[in-house]
Amino acid sequence: EDQVTQSPEALRLQEGESSSLNCSYTVSGLRGLFWYRQDPGKGPEFLFTLYSAGEEKEKERLKATLTKKESFLHITAPKPEDSATYLCAVQAGNNAGNMLTFGGGTRLMVKP
Amino acid sequence: DTGVSQDPRHKITKRGQNVTFRCDPISEHNRLYWYRQTLGQGPEFLTYFQNEAQLEKSRLLSDRFSAERPKGSFSTLEIQRTEQGDSAMYLCASSKGLGGNTGELFFGEGSRLTVL
Repeated sequence: EDQVTQSPEALRLQEGESSSLNCSYTVSGLRGLFWYRQDPGKGPEFLFTLYSAGEEKEKERLKATLTKKESFLHITAPKPEDSATYLCAVQAGNNAGNMLTFGGGTRLMVKP
Repeated sequence: DTGVSQDPRHKITKRGQNVTFRCDPISEHNRLYWYRQTLGQGPEFLTYFQNEAQLEKSRLLSDRFSAERPKGSFSTLEIQRTEQGDSAMYLCASSKGLGGNTGELFFGEGSRLTVL
């Protein structure tokens, strides 16, 4: 069974204080690993897809990396508007329907 | 607006009543998914359609839940005889099928259900 574990569950940062979020996974042949951002009361918003170990993707202050067992979302010099829950999800290679299995998320709070 | 649209955004009902949610996916997407999310948790897969065919259902989808996508466009999720444990955010997502599918799902804003 595919499993995704995210840590920490919650993270408080001061504005400008860089940090990383972790996503550990077990999956039957990884087709893709996805990062989403979710604001309170809203649906998840797609950020990145990573397909193979060693791959990196960047968007503004966010950078996602992937190894064979985990992914990191690095946040450089965060701003208060980066406050949100960040969700990691995996898609298995034997999954014909492209369903995603999500982790529990990391709730990020950035204080000014 | 070309995103995934869900209606209603909020629904409050009494235990035992039936509720129905509607999802309009991105127009060129032929795959449609329903997920459920409770407070502090990640979304959990419920069911998936390719065009009008319902191809997979989770064990989470009890027989009180039924989903349809009659013409391969919009979809409905009905919950019969609601229970307090059904209170959650119901999320709809869509994606392209084979040929141009890079895997990501695009989510709507969700329909929040509160069962009193």
